[in-house]
Amino acid sequence: EAQVTQNPRYLITVTGKKLTVTCSQNMNHEYMSWYRQDPGLGLRQIYYSMNVEVTDKGDVPEGYKVSRKEKRNFPLILESPSPNQTSLYFCASSLSSATDTQYFGPGTRLTVL
Amino acid sequence: GENVEQHPSTLSVQEGDSAVIKCTYSDSASNYFPWYKQELGKGPQLIIDIRSNVGEKKDQRIAVTLNKTAKHFSLHITETQPEDSAVYFCAASKWADKLIFGTGTRLQVFP
Repeated sequence: EAQVTQNPRYLITVTGKKLTVTCSQNMNHEYMSWYRQDPGLGLRQIYYSMNVEVTDKGDVPEGYKVSRKEKRNFPLILESPSPNQTSLYFCASSLSSATDTQYFGPGTRLTVL
Repeated sequence: GENVEQHPSTLSVQEGDSAVIKCTYSDSASNYFPWYKQELGKGPQLIIDIRSNVGEKKDQRIAVTLNKTAKHFSLHITETQPEDSAVYFCAASKWADKLIFGTGTRLQVFP
């Protein structure tokens, strides 16, 4: 089944404790992206990747890191999480660009205490 | 940078009625406008999209219209059904690297 998977689905952590949210797709897509969803603010792009080893900042990259060492995986890293990073996070992938159909993962709800 | 405004934030309709959600964008060079539907507890899913060389596109009960001069586009859902209840997001893109999303519209369809 073609899909985007994210892990964990739910995470409660404390300020400053490094964490990684994994994202994997099995559709051989070149484009991958991370968004955060907050009430009243919609979906905001954090980072995106056009291909392996090619990543770039979205609109809200502060406090986040990403890597794209393999085509299928695009982990989101929070080196020192803070309470304002409490949010619902979505990973998405598409064939080659943001203007192709984006397939979203199920989301990761992160709470930083 | 690009900014996308979406209205209304909530919309309640009776089953069978039509629903219209409107978005405006700031960058006249934007050329791709998708609409995503997000059901409770799930990730968004593309339902329809339109490119700047087309003024209208229809797929069964849903349609999207684009007015490039006014820089706005709208989602139209006819004969609404309870399963249309969800959050709808519009988005705009100028280059192929980024999608800028609106703030979302929560649609409730009452039987």
